Amino acid sequence: ELKVEQNPLFLSMQEGKNYTIYCNYSTTSDRLYWYRQDPGKSLESLFVLLSNGAVKQEGRLMASLDTKARLSTLHITAAVHDLSATYFCAVATNFGNEKLTFGTGTRLTIIP
Amino acid sequence: NAGVMQNPRHLVRRRGQEARLRCSPMKGHSHVYWYRQLPEEGLKFMVYLQKENIIDESGMPKERFSAEFPKEGPSILRIQQVVRGDSAAYFCASSPRVRQTSYEQYFGPGTRLTVT
Repeated sequence: ELKVEQNPLFLSMQEGKNYTIYCNYSTTSDRLYWYRQDPGKSLESLFVLLSNGAVKQEGRLMASLDTKARLSTLHITAAVHDLSATYFCAVATNFGNEKLTFGTGTRLTIIP
Repeated sequence: NAGVMQNPRHLVRRRGQEARLRCSPMKGHSHVYWYRQLPEEGLKFMVYLQKENIIDESGMPKERFSAEFPKEGPSILRIQQVVRGDSAAYFCASSPRVRQTSYEQYFGPGTRLTVT
């Protein structure tokens, strides 16, 4: 059974600081997704990572994928309050069936 | 192009009643996935459907839950005889036809079911 683990589960950081969220998964996959969820809202797609070594950046967020280590990271640079949200990684393992297995989520709070 | 639509957005049911949740995928999308999110938890896969076919229902509880995606109309997730433990947010996601590379899923706003 595929397991996806994120850490940390909770992260409180000051504005302007850098930090990294980690996503480990237990089964071979080369398709990993990062989503953002605000309280009471749906999921917003942030990144789609489709190959080993993939790196994508959008604003203050950068995501990478290492399929050999079964690890993805979401790096936050110079955090701002607007980035406060819960971040999920999700993994798909079967072509033809894109069902996603989600991580536990990281609740990020940016303190002014 | 409208996004994934779900209705109702909020649904309150008493124990023992039935709940029907609807999902209209994005235009041109023929694949629908349903997920459930319990309070303070991540999303859990329930079922994957294409038009008139259930492809994978490995995440569906064995009893009281069913799903369909008819040739015409929205996909429906049906929960019979609801219990308090069914209270959760139910999200559907759609994606276009799958080819050799994967397509990301686009999520609807969710239906928040409360069982009293």
